[in-house]
Amino acid sequence: EAGVAQSPRYKIIEKRQSVAFWCNPISGHATLYWYQQILGQGPKLLIQFQNNGVVDDSQLPKDRFSAERLKGVDSTLKIQPAKLEDSAVYLCASSLDGSSYEQYFGPGTRLTVT
Amino acid sequence: AQSVAQPEDQVNVAEGNPLTVKCTYSVSGNPYLFWYVQYPNRGLQFLLKYITGDNLVKGSYGFEAEFNKSQTSFHLKKPSALVSDSALYFCAVRDHTGFQKLVFGTGTRLLVSP
Repeated sequence: EAGVAQSPRYKIIEKRQSVAFWCNPISGHATLYWYQQILGQGPKLLIQFQNNGVVDDSQLPKDRFSAERLKGVDSTLKIQPAKLEDSAVYLCASSLDGSSYEQYFGPGTRLTVT
Repeated sequence: AQSVAQPEDQVNVAEGNPLTVKCTYSVSGNPYLFWYVQYPNRGLQFLLKYITGDNLVKGSYGFEAEFNKSQTSFHLKKPSALVSDSALYFCAVRDHTGFQKLVFGTGTRLLVSP
């Protein structure tokens, strides 16, 4: 079974630029999550999708962050414009559905904003 | 709000010795608790979970965790540490409010010396 795929693995941008991350969840998983992991902290949920609908984006900074999950499969997370404090690892995870206890994580995208 | 605390930034243990990584929780209602491990440049991997039932939960790679309701703890243990166990370990709790997202602790780095 293929795991959660993410790209790119690393990205370096200057502040005020834009960036996008891509995630392909495990086949058949209805729920997709984006987490932000700042160095020295645990992952923090940014947004949760159930199929192609958003169920929780309460911690997403909506003035600069956006995410979509077209057709209920792949997802993209965008930051525009980026700030220095956005430097972090962005993790994508998926689960069978929202009530599943186990989430499967991708390798993450390490973003550095200079 | 649900939360977990990992009081130790780092735990050092010699190979072959038992290891314990501590986690305490604060929840309303019954806790759903998890342990994840993160190896360098890789995503989080699920180790084990406590939902209900026996207080001693067995997981992957020989790890186990003991749920203690009176002490509100969920410590991760292994009888004999391996150098390959060196990694970052996260405790997490499922938030019963809203859409039941995972709330992670700040992580504990485990260093197993040969």
